[in-house]
Amino acid sequence: RKEVEQDPGPFNVPEGATVAFNCTYSNSASQSFFWYRQDCRKEPKLLMSVYSSGNEDGRFTAQLNRASQYISLLIRDSKLSDSATYLCVPSRSNDYKLSFGAGTTVTVRA
Amino acid sequence: DAGITQSPRHKVTETGTPVTLRCHQTENHRYMYWYRQDPGHGLRLIHYSYGVKDTDKGEVSDGYSVSRSKTEDFLLTLESATSSQTSVYFCAIRATGSGEQYFGPGTRLTVT
Repeated sequence: RKEVEQDPGPFNVPEGATVAFNCTYSNSASQSFFWYRQDCRKEPKLLMSVYSSGNEDGRFTAQLNRASQYISLLIRDSKLSDSATYLCVPSRSNDYKLSFGAGTTVTVRA
Repeated sequence: DAGITQSPRHKVTETGTPVTLRCHQTENHRYMYWYRQDPGHGLRLIHYSYGVKDTDKGEVSDGYSVSRSKTEDFLLTLESATSSQTSVYFCAIRATGSGEQYFGPGTRLTVT
């Protein structure tokens, strides 16, 4: 089983809509999580870090479900600029390597 | 901006030639990483470094070597480039304490 699994999408949503997608992880020792966004042909950029049950930053909300071993990302009031691939990354304190999910692609249309 | 640069940004080379990619950081981070990204595979770790002259292999290290003679520079060498090494290569650093990684702009390598 892969360490990180993400629905590749694409999720096609109109501007202003809410979109949410999940990331499942296999290692129960994962303690913190990162969401990165990656635009086409660009480097991944850190969107949000989650160190407890969740985090919220403006229109973006991450929610962690440790019992079922998944983390979700919700985007409210979608903007055209939110179109990107979102990468989920679990992290363990005693491991300096990260395993990246293959990403979920979101396309926001006018 | 984590102060990470990569050079070259684009390179086309022929099969069998050696290629060296450079990653440079300005903020004295201890951990540095090299990844490759290919369609359908996501980011895969090639090698990483935890200090000057301290390196270790990642999941796709065959055909690659690295060196770190200074804190600020991490070099990735393809000893004899093959077409399967055509990819986008990203360098990253690990922020002290948080575990977050920050990426350089990438090098697009084509092996013909």
